[in-house]
Amino acid sequence: QSALTQPASVSGSPGQSITISCTGSSSDVGGYTYVSWYQHHPGKAPKLMIYDVSVRPSGVSNRFSGSKSGNTASLTISGLQAEDEADYYCSSYTASSTVLFGGGSRVTVL
Amino acid sequence: DVQLVQSGAVVKKTGESLRISCKGSGYNFPMYLITWVRQIPGKGLEWMGRIDPSDSYTDYSPSFYGHVTISVDKSISTAYLQWSSLRASDTAIYYCAKSSTPWHFDSWGQGTLVTVPS
Repeated sequence: QSALTQPASVSGSPGQSITISCTGSSSDVGGYTYVSWYQHHPGKAPKLMIYDVSVRPSGVSNRFSGSKSGNTASLTISGLQAEDEADYYCSSYTASSTVLFGGGSRVTVL
Repeated sequence: DVQLVQSGAVVKKTGESLRISCKGSGYNFPMYLITWVRQIPGKGLEWMGRIDPSDSYTDYSPSFYGHVTISVDKSISTAYLQWSSLRASDTAIYYCAKSSTPWHFDSWGQGTLVTVPS
């Protein structure tokens, strides 16, 4: 199985909004509402930011939001802050009952 | 607080066996799945497989099936990831993660670095 497709890097200035895309197929992203997003600061444990396409876990800032259209899911970070600089990974449940991660997107705050 | 504490970094030789661990605390361990995720240095996350501690049922990614074994000892709230014969390509950070569903992971361990020099 190939990884879900994410842009390698996304950048924005403080206060701006950015969107990270995650493209799969009808066998994963398009076929289920089981898309998640993780924030990963290198050297630390990944953190769940969004699950089930658009649900924020308790404690996650409402600056993070998720959506999906067809085979592409998206994570939007609004009011970009320096602490948001990290790697972001999407994941999706698949028709094979496995989980597929995206290749990861490095978010840079300019 | 929910915690997943993983065993420490190891350096092994090609062909050697290895078992790393992930101990859960602060929650009812048998009620939540444990998933293992690999991160090769400089690369992305890869789903390896999961285990249901209540009955030890496992699912594996085709990429890892037959090369690793996931097991659990629910009496000590600990999950394991095991290799019988390591390869240089197994050099990576391995994370365990807890979840109530098979498709999202709400708490993660700190990671275990496995180094297998070529």
